Amino acid sequence: DTEVTQTPKHLVMGMTNKKSLKCEQHMGHRAMYWYKQKAKKPPELMFVYSYEKLSINESVPSRFSPECPNSSLLNLHLHALQPEDSALYLCASSQVDLGWVTGELFFGEGSRLTVL
Amino acid sequence: AQSVAQPEDQVNVAEGNPLTVKCTYSVSGNPYLFWYVQYPNRGLQFLLKYITGDNLVKGSYGFEAEFNKSQTSFHLKKPSALVSDSALYFCAVRAGSGSARQLTFGSGTQLTVLP
Repeated sequence: DTEVTQTPKHLVMGMTNKKSLKCEQHMGHRAMYWYKQKAKKPPELMFVYSYEKLSINESVPSRFSPECPNSSLLNLHLHALQPEDSALYLCASSQVDLGWVTGELFFGEGSRLTVL
Repeated sequence: AQSVAQPEDQVNVAEGNPLTVKCTYSVSGNPYLFWYVQYPNRGLQFLLKYITGDNLVKGSYGFEAEFNKSQTSFHLKKPSALVSDSALYFCAVRAGSGSARQLTFGSGTQLTVLP
């Protein structure tokens, strides 16, 4: 069983809707990530939070808005999405030690998003 | 810049036979190398990593990988494949310097183990 929990597992939304994806971990990790993954492709990094502060934004469109309310929670707010945004959205967490030495990520099972 | 290549989109192997999934990398300085596996409709799972030390790294589920600096390779291996090993495998690299805070994933290799 994964120790990173993502909800919902499936989400269908229209292009005018506002929805949120949620991620929770209780491993004491202080780095959390959002990735986007298309079928049979590698995950693409979207955002990285370190100690609850946004440290990497990979030029993601503003219709995706991340939020890290505390060290255990990570949200991704969605608004006015396009059909091409349909994908599996993966949350991950990791330790932050010695300048990110470990690099080992723990992934959730993902939220499969369909934009109509 | 750092990059990783997985030259095979698909690898098929018979159950009980040894398997190899190939990975080559390019990075400035010392590489930190990883293998992840993704089963259908699941997130990625960490299998093993090379940071420093012994060139042969052992990981989860009987997998191992051999770091070869001269060939800049980090191939994933298993002596005897199981049908349940069928999945999508990703190699990943990050530079050893402290400023590299993200992994670069390869394109993935679909492994199918035939009964």
